[in-house]
Amino acid sequence: GIQVEQSPPDLILQEGANSTLRCNFSDSVNNLQWFHQNPWGQLINLFYIPSGTKQNGRLSATTVATERYSLLYISSSQTTDSGVYFCAVLPGGSNYKLTFGKGTLLTVNP
Amino acid sequence: GAGVSQSPSNKVTEKGKDVELRCDPISGHTALYWYRQSLGQGLEFLIYFQGNSAPDKSGLPSDRFSAERTGGSVSTLTIQRTQQEDSAVYLCASSLRQGAEAFFGQGTRLTVV
Repeated sequence: GIQVEQSPPDLILQEGANSTLRCNFSDSVNNLQWFHQNPWGQLINLFYIPSGTKQNGRLSATTVATERYSLLYISSSQTTDSGVYFCAVLPGGSNYKLTFGKGTLLTVNP
Repeated sequence: GAGVSQSPSNKVTEKGKDVELRCDPISGHTALYWYRQSLGQGLEFLIYFQGNSAPDKSGLPSDRFSAERTGGSVSTLTIQRTQQEDSAVYLCASSLRQGAEAFFGQGTRLTVV
């Protein structure tokens, strides 16, 4: 099946810093989503971005489907950004399993 | 409701007992997923429903696990004869159609003692 690799696995930032999270995938995809899992375990939708670039406030994402990667940018990080960031992809063809990477654990210190 | 709703939020059960976990998807969403997240781990696919089509059960870890979706809406995940390794957070998601953006519920934390 498709492989999804996220990097870095862990990231520690000071409040106000910027960061880039990466998601590599091994095959073509029909769908790519970024989620933030908060300390209570809730998965919050950040972006639905099978290709192109989107921005939402301090967050933006870019997916280059032809090169099989996606980037999530966090600018001016805040302590509330802490948590695990997951990338999930829906492979091409008739496979409808949304496959997750192992996540990036982000800690933003005040 | 506006989002995916799961119940119960927490469930503690004795080893060997059966449990049922419920998922109410977003109204009108035809696709429904169940995932499992063990402590500190990523999300493991369990089962996928799309409309009236036969579900994709390929992720169910054993025959003790089963799921159904009645009337194309509410889904129930049943675990029979629970084992300690079944302890995890069980997450449900729905999407408007297959391939569309998926939205997750808050999960059910299952603890088998």
